[in-house]
Amino acid sequence: EADIYQTPRYLVIGTGKKITLECSQTMGHDKMYWYQQDPGMELHLIHYSYGVNSTEKGDLSSESTVSRIRTEHFPLTLESARPSHTSQYLCASSESGPGGNTEAFFGQGTRLTVV
Amino acid sequence: GENVEQHPSTLSVQEGDSAVIKCTYSDSASNYFPWYKQELGKGPQLIIDIRSNVGEKKDQRIAVTLNKTAKHFSLHITETQPEDSAVYFCAASMGQAGTALIFGKGTTLSVSS
Repeated sequence: EADIYQTPRYLVIGTGKKITLECSQTMGHDKMYWYQQDPGMELHLIHYSYGVNSTEKGDLSSESTVSRIRTEHFPLTLESARPSHTSQYLCASSESGPGGNTEAFFGQGTRLTVV
Repeated sequence: GENVEQHPSTLSVQEGDSAVIKCTYSDSASNYFPWYKQELGKGPQLIIDIRSNVGEKKDQRIAVTLNKTAKHFSLHITETQPEDSAVYFCAASMGQAGTALIFGKGTTLSVSS
């Protein structure tokens, strides 16, 4: 069982609200990721971090921000939620090995509905 | 950046048959190729992975093959069982510290008994 936790599991919120999705891991992994996924569909990379105070944008990041102040914590913030943000958000973490990337462990996801 | 193509998008097989899912990647610098299985309501879980210095890897009924020259890799599941039904994703990433896993679009595998 992977030690990576996302809260909340489900969230229904009104348009225009600011929201923060939480993600924490206890494995000491240096890399963390946020993916957006519609049910059973492609995983779109939103943001990733390869260490404290380092973040990079993915393909789908323009309407959200992240921070990595502590190794174990990687929150995702939507400043103004819109119905188009309705989706599942998956957080993951991995450890850099001598040969590069290693297994990424995923959280259970946050299912966001914006009404 | 890296781009990963995955085929087919859906695959239906009879129990006991083999299933093959194929992926191609665009960046020749990629050197890590994992496969993930995602069941309904759960996050993806790693089932097998391969690095660019290996051509094939097996784990019981699951195998992955890699062709670096052609930039493609495949997942093979033998003796499929109904519990193999799920969405399978391939991914690729480079060795540098600052690179992320890029996923294919997924294959929905249905195994009927």
